[in-house]
Amino acid sequence: GAVVSQHPSWVICKSGTSVKIECRSLDFQATTMFWYRQFPKQSLMLMATSNEGSKATYEQGVEKDKFLINHASLTLSTLTVTSAHPEDSSFYICSAQTGAIQETQYFGPGTRLLVL
Amino acid sequence: KQEVTQIPAALSVPEGENLVLNCSFTDSAIYNLQWFRQDPGKGLTSLLLIQSSQREQTSGRLNASLDKSSGRSTLYIAASQPGDSATYLCAVTGNEKLTFGTGTRLTIIP
Repeated sequence: GAVVSQHPSWVICKSGTSVKIECRSLDFQATTMFWYRQFPKQSLMLMATSNEGSKATYEQGVEKDKFLINHASLTLSTLTVTSAHPEDSSFYICSAQTGAIQETQYFGPGTRLLVL
Repeated sequence: KQEVTQIPAALSVPEGENLVLNCSFTDSAIYNLQWFRQDPGKGLTSLLLIQSSQREQTSGRLNASLDKSSGRSTLYIAASQPGDSATYLCAVTGNEKLTFGTGTRLTIIP
């Protein structure tokens, strides 16, 4: 149980285009979903926290107009990278949580984005 | 602001040896601490979770300890195998979010 999927697993796009990444909790309802970014040989950095039906909370330094997050249901959150540029190339990982902050987060397999 | 550090950044050991990975954190007000494994280009696999009230957790050849007052955790791997080669991340759950450490890249030499 507690499986989280991400789609696509990898994407290559041209600079200036927008890319949408989906995160789904397959067998549980996620009240909260998190989006992380990981640059090569670095650790995961939290980008934003989203609760179903409300606006996402972004970490300092993350542009909310560039990284659009929608958490429309208890099993789906999407991250849209708008007007992507090469510096946005990274590994994006989502996680889902069923309840309080001390509960376990279940991580997706990640999406590798390459912007040319 | 919570900061999580892992030492060493990289470690190579011969197969069969026991080893210890270290994790330290600056703010002891945590709910729990987790150890994850990440294979190259892949997502995270949760290995062990220690609640703040616990001192250690064991799973197979893995044993994780937590000393919240000193802000330290260790991951002990017994009888290492080539399949253990990966990056190991520790992460602490604090006020509203999970903060990851810098990771230790482990290579087990056959």
